[in-house]
Amino acid sequence: AQKITQTQPGMFVQEKEAVTLDCTYDTSDPSYGLFWYKQPSSGEMIFLIYQGSYDQQNATEGRYSLNFQKARKSANLVISASQLGDSAMYFCAMSSNTGTASKLTFGTGTRLQVTL
Amino acid sequence: EAQVTQNPRYLITVTGKKLTVTCSQNMNHEYMSWYRQDPGLGLRQIYYSMNVEVTDKGDVPEGYKVSRKEKRNFPLILESPSPNQTSLYFCASSSTPGRSFSNQPQHFGDGTRLSIL
Repeated sequence: AQKITQTQPGMFVQEKEAVTLDCTYDTSDPSYGLFWYKQPSSGEMIFLIYQGSYDQQNATEGRYSLNFQKARKSANLVISASQLGDSAMYFCAMSSNTGTASKLTFGTGTRLQVTL
Repeated sequence: EAQVTQNPRYLITVTGKKLTVTCSQNMNHEYMSWYRQDPGLGLRQIYYSMNVEVTDKGDVPEGYKVSRKEKRNFPLILESPSPNQTSLYFCASSSTPGRSFSNQPQHFGDGTRLSIL
């Protein structure tokens, strides 16, 4: 069974600093995808970044980068130069093949608070 | 504009009164899914659909029904709602290879906050 673990229920970071949100996963599938989503207080789910299990390089999207360490089964999200608007809930998710369909499994989330 | 539309956004109802939450997407996506979000539990999948007339159970299907008669619509039905179904519900869609893991991000609706008294 697939499992995503986010061990940080809450994090604080000062504006303009970088922050790392941890995500570890467990799967026996050789092929899978890892996603990060942002959920601001307004509630919508916003896709941030994707990493495939066979991708050779770590994914980057603007201020977001994914620190993918396959052997450790970790896929940490790094946000550089934090902004007040980054305050939100962040979810790590994994897509894998269940045999009949592609399934997305979510972690429990990390609430990030950016302070002045 | 590409979007997933859920209705209603908010609903307060009583135990046992059947309700339907509608979901519609305009991106011609094959894959659609329903999740519920509860504090401390993240998002858990209720049902998903690979295409028209193809639906299957997710992790927490009890008490819910779905149908996929048209590609764009995927309604969630609570035949006899109970207080433990009070939650924030999300519909999502994506294009997907189907029989392999998906590298396509799921597009989410804005959520439906359901309170069952």
